Amino acid sequence: DTGVSQDPRHKITKRGQNVTFRCDPISEHNRLYWYRQTLGQGPEFLTYFQNEAQLEKSRLLSDRFSAERPKGSFSTLEIQRTEQGDSAMYLCASSLDHGRGIPSGANVLTFGAGSRLTVL
Amino acid sequence: AQTVTQSQPEMSVQEAETVTLSCTYDTSESDYYLFWYKQPPSRQMILVIRQEAYKQQNATENRFSVNFQKAAKSFSLKISDSQLGDAAMYFCAYRRNAGGTSYGKLTFGQGTILTVHP
Repeated sequence: DTGVSQDPRHKITKRGQNVTFRCDPISEHNRLYWYRQTLGQGPEFLTYFQNEAQLEKSRLLSDRFSAERPKGSFSTLEIQRTEQGDSAMYLCASSLDHGRGIPSGANVLTFGAGSRLTVL
Repeated sequence: AQTVTQSQPEMSVQEAETVTLSCTYDTSESDYYLFWYKQPPSRQMILVIRQEAYKQQNATENRFSVNFQKAAKSFSLKISDSQLGDAAMYFCAYRRNAGGTSYGKLTFGQGTILTVHP
């Protein structure tokens, strides 16, 4: 397993266009997270999935953003009608959640290299 | 809501010397994890070290150790024998550990850029 993969690594688009990012997690990981990181700042949580279920969405995730994980494996993050304020690094991470009764310390996030979005 | 604060935007250290990065956090929870992540320029974030809140003993990973002060809500990272490869942005992060659907989510600080001088 080569870790968490994200594609594309860099996307330049014009304002108003739609963009989609893909994340392939570590194969045995059941949790998948999306974060957004602006230059010089820490990552901010956007949303996460347990298998195919989207369990939490941040208020940062406006209605122009949609994330899916249809088969509980890879995930996509789509941004519609992009705005210049959407320019950021979009990070994906995955982890293995053992569930209740198992020490949750095993739930360590492994991050991908990120997809950088530039909106002109 | 939990918050994580890193008050040092930038730090520098001479190669082979020791440096300490600061982190404070605010939470009403008693059961949580704290992490330090390293993000080299244009590379992915990797876990450096983690600390379970209910463990009093400070975590250590080779040249990296933490000073965890639960009452003060402080979690500093000490890097000993600094190497050029330690240069990166370092993030402190918090994760609630009480169970439920959202406990896996990390809350990050603003980061500290560490420069290592040869």
